[in-house]
Amino acid sequence: DAGITQSPRHKVTETGTPVTLRCHQTENHRYMYWYRQDPGHGLRLIHYSYGVKDTDKGEVSDGYSVSRSKTEDFLLTLESATSSQTSVYFCATTLSGNHNEQFFGPGTRLTVL
Amino acid sequence: SQQGEEDPQALSIQEGENATMNCSYKTSINNLQWYRQNSGRGLVHLILIRSNEREKHSGRLRVTLDTSKKSSSLLITASRAADTASYFCATYGGSQGNLIFGKGTKLSVKP
Repeated sequence: DAGITQSPRHKVTETGTPVTLRCHQTENHRYMYWYRQDPGHGLRLIHYSYGVKDTDKGEVSDGYSVSRSKTEDFLLTLESATSSQTSVYFCATTLSGNHNEQFFGPGTRLTVL
Repeated sequence: SQQGEEDPQALSIQEGENATMNCSYKTSINNLQWYRQNSGRGLVHLILIRSNEREKHSGRLRVTLDTSKKSSSLLITASRAADTASYFCATYGGSQGNLIFGKGTKLSVKP
């Protein structure tokens, strides 16, 4: 998995609670991405980062925020989790640009009750 | 919004047969990529084909790209049970855009 880890791997939480997912990479890749994967929707981009402290929104960013204070870590926060955010979340990285191949982490399965 | 649409949604074949999956997209692209996802795992990059390329090979994989028809195909020859997975196409349109994934084809290879 190209040195990409995600934590936690599984989480069950209740509606209204804050949740933070962590992505850690050891590849020194500049770009990092958060996706969610849902049946019938495939993979959708939530937010991405093109450098430390540089982030931008993706297709489904509402209800999510991100932070990147170090090259190796990219955090995804659900400020107040809702049941519609129940999903599998994947982190991905790429060396130098959106056009390059992406390397994916193992995923985090989040259930919001 | 999905750019690539894979066809078929599901495909079941016997070991040793060839598997062909198709991807259609709507707008012009800079490159098209194929990924594999085994059950419960992250996606793994298989192959990238640029808009000025028509065909590319990697081991048992052959990818074609027809930009006039806005379509690509992934052929897996002499399939194995280990090829059982979901396969996604992803398109990059250029101009600082992002990679956009299709919904995938679920391939089942029976021993």
